[in-house]
Amino acid sequence: NAGVTQTPKFQVLKTGQSMTLQCAQDMNHNSMYWYRQDPGMGLRLIYYSASEGTTDKGEVPNGYNVSRLNKREFSLRLESAAPSQTSVYFCASSEGWNTEAFFGQGTRLTVV
Amino acid sequence: RKEVEQDPGPFNVPEGATVAFNCTYSNSASQSFFWYRQDCRKEPKLLMSVYSSGNEDGRFTAQLNRASQYISLLIRDSKLSDSATYLCVVNKYGNKLVFGAGTILRVKS
Repeated sequence: NAGVTQTPKFQVLKTGQSMTLQCAQDMNHNSMYWYRQDPGMGLRLIYYSASEGTTDKGEVPNGYNVSRLNKREFSLRLESAAPSQTSVYFCASSEGWNTEAFFGQGTRLTVV
Repeated sequence: RKEVEQDPGPFNVPEGATVAFNCTYSNSASQSFFWYRQDCRKEPKLLMSVYSSGNEDGRFTAQLNRASQYISLLIRDSKLSDSATYLCVVNKYGNKLVFGAGTILRVKS
């Protein structure tokens, strides 16, 4: 039972490079989320998708774009990576707003 | 003011102790409340939902005080395996879950 799968698990980028973080869930959930976690800051919402075909900005969307490719997949793109984007990124999904969110294992991204 | 605030700790307690964490939230319209647990360098996992009437799951008890806008988590008979970061989570505007920064618990033998 895979749940939420994120790739890659680790990545080092040079400033200015681009990359896409992939996320897929197999629980038929409507809602999907991208968070970043920095020391002492907790998880901060970057973007979320309440349902297939919709996306909305979260607390810290600048420098990121997302695509809800279908109900299963929600990708996060960094067009021009900056050192401030060094963080741990988590994808999550949930059936709805009042139900448990399931997380992927995280992507540890370092931008040098 | 942060939307969800927690005491970062760490709370250092001996095995068998009872420990309580509080969390305050700023949006009075929030409707869903959760406690998540996060082990070092791992993904967060749901510990328990918090209902208006309060709820208990074994050694863990969660309470909600809407009037004062805070949520509490009580852990009785602490185990070494309870050492983790506990995240308070509140929903905002439907599907936006907002996380607190977490409270670190260290249980020592």
